[in-house]
Parts: sequence; structure tokens; C-alpha cells
Amino acid sequence: AQSVTQPDIHITVSEGASLELRCNYSYGATPYLFWYVQSPGQGLQLLLKYFSGDTLVQGIKGFEAEFKRSQSSFNLRKPSVHWSDAAEYFCAALKGTIKAAGNKLTFGGGTRVLVKP
Amino acid sequence: DGGITQSPKYLFRKEGQNVTLSCEQNLNHDAMYWYRQDPGQGLRLIYYSQIVNDFQKGDIAEGYSVSREKKESFPLTVTSAQKNPTAFYLCASSSDRGRTNYGYTFGSGTRLTVV
Repeated sequence: AQSVTQPDIHITVSEGASLELRCNYSYGATPYLFWYVQSPGQGLQLLLKYFSGDTLVQGIKGFEAEFKRSQSSFNLRKPSVHWSDAAEYFCAALKGTIKAAGNKLTFGGGTRVLVKP
Repeated sequence: DGGITQSPKYLFRKEGQNVTLSCEQNLNHDAMYWYRQDPGQGLRLIYYSQIVNDFQKGDIAEGYSVSREKKESFPLTVTSAQKNPTAFYLCASSSDRGRTNYGYTFGSGTRLTVV
């Protein structure tokens, strides 16, 4: 079955330290890939997306993600975390073309990030 | 500014009641979605609609109903048949006008509690 896996449920990081969130997908072909962030009690905000081309994608709020086909991964990184980065992060994937997939994203289970002062 | 509006932000339901959650978008997006979010379970798709007057069941449609009479609106009804309705509900919309613009826009959610 097609799925998106985020192996880490919780991650605690000190303010100013680097952050990496893992995401793996199980699709036969390379899907479109996304990272979203959710603050408590709020909706999700798109951080970045990958369709093709350069495997290192830059997003908003200083985040970047690297697509690695050999590892079926799309990990999210930030060099220096701020207290405002404490939130839940979701990886998502869309297989194939947008219309063929019916526009439906498949989401991972999320990773909650806690930031220590 | 364009966006998605969900209302109400908090909703309380008595056992056996139907309640309707509102979702309105002014982004001119064709597709709209309803997700349910429970702690530790990520987002699960309830229903989605790609065009007006058409919608499809998602992974957990039992106990829910929707309508899509207007492009801008996609209300979700939580019926009394839904045995465990307490959750955070998120509405989203997307455009399929090319992959450059593709992506979901989310509302700010409705927290439903059964009392």
C-alpha cells in the first residue's frame, strides 16, 4: 500500500541547534512530496514541496528538504531552530499526476517538535 | 486576501445530535477536502470533492455526510451514526491548474466535542 512514514513521533531540540525530521514514502515511482507545519489548534501551512529537478528544496521559515530517491526519503532540515519552530510537522505525498491521483495527498503521522530554551 | 474559513472554531454536540461544520473558500479552487485529526494519528481523509455536485468517500466516511452545491462551500455533517466524533476537523482546498500552483490550503479547523 502507498504510504508516508514519519518514524519520529516526538523530537526535542535545543534552541539554536539543528533539526532534521525524517520522512519515508513507499511508492513505485517518485511522488510529489510536501512538508507542512501545524501550530497548536491551527490548520496546516505549506513549508515546501518537491516535484522534480534539484533534489534540495528551499522553503519558508528557513527550512529545506532533500529528496533521496535511493532511500525513498524526503527529510526536512533547519540549521538553527528558534523557539517559534515548536509545532507539529507533517510530510505528505501525491502519487503520479495531480489529476490522475484525484488531488489526494497522503499524510504521514506527524512529528511533534519541542524546543528547549 | 483569499483563504479558507471554517466555522465555528469550537462546537459541542450532545449524544444523538447531528451537527454541521462549515467550510468556505474564496480561492476559486476546484477541489475541497475534509480531514479528521486525532492525537497521534495524523490526518485521515473523510470526504473530498473535485467538482460541484460531486464528492467521494475517503478512508473514514462512515457517520459523516457532505454536500457540494457551490464551488465555494463544502459543509460536513457529523451524524449521530458517528460513534466517536470528538476530534479536530480540518477543511482544505486545492487547485489542479498546473503543478507549480498545486498544494493544499487549510482552514484553521473546528474542534468538535461530544458532551
